[in-house]
Amino acid sequence: AQTVTQSQPEMSVQEAETVTLSCTYDTSESDYYLFWYKQPPSRQMILVIRQEAYKQQNATENRFSVNFQKAAKSFSLKISDSQLGDAAMYFCAYINSGGSNYKLTFGKGTLLTVNP
Amino acid sequence: EAGVAQSPRYKIIEKRQSVAFWCNPISGHATLYWYQQILGQGPKLLIQFQNNGVVDDSQLPKDRFSAERLKGVDSTLKIQPAKLEDSAVYLCASSPLLKFSEQYFGPGTRLTVT
Repeated sequence: AQTVTQSQPEMSVQEAETVTLSCTYDTSESDYYLFWYKQPPSRQMILVIRQEAYKQQNATENRFSVNFQKAAKSFSLKISDSQLGDAAMYFCAYINSGGSNYKLTFGKGTLLTVNP
Repeated sequence: EAGVAQSPRYKIIEKRQSVAFWCNPISGHATLYWYQQILGQGPKLLIQFQNNGVVDDSQLPKDRFSAERLKGVDSTLKIQPAKLEDSAVYLCASSPLLKFSEQYFGPGTRLTVT
């Protein structure tokens, strides 16, 4: 079974600084996707960034980028120039793209606080 | 484009009562998911529909939970009878056919069982 581990229950960062959230995963599959989702207090899960396992290039979306280390099964999220609106729970998630269903498997989340 | 709609946003019931949640996916999305998110944890898939057929319900407690997706559009998730451990946020998500990496979530329903 696939598992996703987020070892940092909480992180904090000063506004305008950079923070990195960690995620490791365990799978025996070769085709999969990895995601970072943001969940503010409103509870709506918002997709931040997506990485396809077969792509060696790390995904980037504006101030958000990932460091994908396939051999180490590591998938960290870097937030640059942190803003107050970035404060939220961040979840790392995985989908096996070679399976018969496409359920997201989530980690337990990291609560990010942004200090002004 | 309208997002995934869910109702109600909040629900408080006593144990052993029944409750139902409703989800309307993004128009044209063939696949619909119900996730349960217990406080302090990530969401866990309960059931996945493709059109009006069930793809995966392996983690749905079938003795008390049921779900349907009539006509392949709206879906209802029901709990009867509710237990204290069912207190959670219930998230609905949808994705276009075969585009499973594009799951869009609704705002969720927070259920409290007392």
